[in-house]
Amino acid sequence: GAVVSQHPSRVICKSGTSVKIECRSLDFQATTMFWYRQFPKQSLMLMATSNEGSKATYEQGVEKDKFLINHASLTLSTLTVTSAHPEDSSFYICSASQDRGLYNEQFFGPGTRLTVL
Amino acid sequence: DAKTTQPTSMDCAEGRAANLPCNHSTISGNEYVYWYRQIHSQGPQYIIHGLKNNETNEMASLIITEDRKSSTLILPHATLRDTAVYYCIVRVKAGGTSYGKLTFGQGTILTVHP
Repeated sequence: GAVVSQHPSRVICKSGTSVKIECRSLDFQATTMFWYRQFPKQSLMLMATSNEGSKATYEQGVEKDKFLINHASLTLSTLTVTSAHPEDSSFYICSASQDRGLYNEQFFGPGTRLTVL
Repeated sequence: DAKTTQPTSMDCAEGRAANLPCNHSTISGNEYVYWYRQIHSQGPQYIIHGLKNNETNEMASLIITEDRKSSTLILPHATLRDTAVYYCIVRVKAGGTSYGKLTFGQGTILTVHP
């Protein structure tokens, strides 16, 4: 159980285009989903937290107009990188969390590697 | 959330126990110790977590010192597939302002060799 998928696994796009990444919880309802970014040889950095049906909360320094997050249902969240540039090339990872009272585990997706040419 | 300190890298022979230390001297009473690992180019994988008692599951054991200022993750019989970056994270229990957030440090690169 607790499987999270991401689509696509890899995407290459031209500078200036927008890219959408999907994150799905396959066998549980995710009350909260998180989006992380990881540059080569660096650790994961949290970009934003989203709860189903409400606006995402972005971490300091993350542009909300550039990284659009939609959490329309309890099993799906999307991250859209708008007007992508080469510096946005990174490994994007989502996680999903189910409210279980005292603690809520985060289950991570396999990641999406974005390359902007 | 409290900060953690881990060695940058460690080596372990296949079949031997891997003991990964973590210091979290500023941990608060409402903070758990979590361990995740990340195999190259994959998403992190949950390993184990604990509050103050030692914990064991099918993957690993977690030993937390009595003062809770440090912990050790033990992989009892390391295999080549255990080569990964291991993250020790201190996380507020549900209900705090950091509810659900995980703050990843640099972790420990564990290399298991034949």
